[in-house]
Amino acid sequence: DQQVKQNSPSLSVQEGRISILNCDYTNSMFDYFLWYKKYPAEGPTFLISISSIKDKNEDGRFTVFLNKSAKHLSLHIVPSQPGDSAVYFCAASEENTDKLIFGTGTRLQVFP
Amino acid sequence: DAGITQSPRHKVTETGTPVTLRCHQTENHRYMYWYRQDPGHGLRLIHYSYGVKDTDKGEVSDGYSVSRSKTEDFLLTLESATSSQTSVYFCAISESITDTQYFGPGTRLTVL
Repeated sequence: DQQVKQNSPSLSVQEGRISILNCDYTNSMFDYFLWYKKYPAEGPTFLISISSIKDKNEDGRFTVFLNKSAKHLSLHIVPSQPGDSAVYFCAASEENTDKLIFGTGTRLQVFP
Repeated sequence: DAGITQSPRHKVTETGTPVTLRCHQTENHRYMYWYRQDPGHGLRLIHYSYGVKDTDKGEVSDGYSVSRSKTEDFLLTLESATSSQTSVYFCAISESITDTQYFGPGTRLTVL
């Protein structure tokens, strides 16, 4: 049973526009959420995170929004750049645990 | 980038043979993890370690064993490799139970 779901396997966006990647979760005990970016033949790299006590966290071009009532989070990239083309994984964890549960990933392609 | 290396980076082996993958870190982090990445599944935790000689199972631990005799090294062993263990394996480290996990470059394992 997939506790963290990324229902869009791929997304294509024009350079300069906004990219919105979505993630849904089912476990109400999750209280910390992360986004990782992965290029081919490399390990995932941490991008941005959000605690359940917040509904928004921003870091440069990247903003993560959390809607606890809907058990939904999203990653906004503005403006999108070709170098953002990668697979994006969302992940979640429960308080004081060291286990991350990952979604299946969304492949983002940013074209000129 | 966190100092994490994995060896080998690529390996092809035959069904029934033992295989050991190595993760080495230079960050002196307490926690180390082994994940596998498969299409349609994202990253799934195999085993993790919370200190020297302290390990525990993840969600897909069957057919795998681990050992950690030194802080810097975490070994993943497939006692008798099967084709279902063909995957990309990632090691990750974190400083504490609530700290962000940082990933190594991955090992692509093919079991024929």
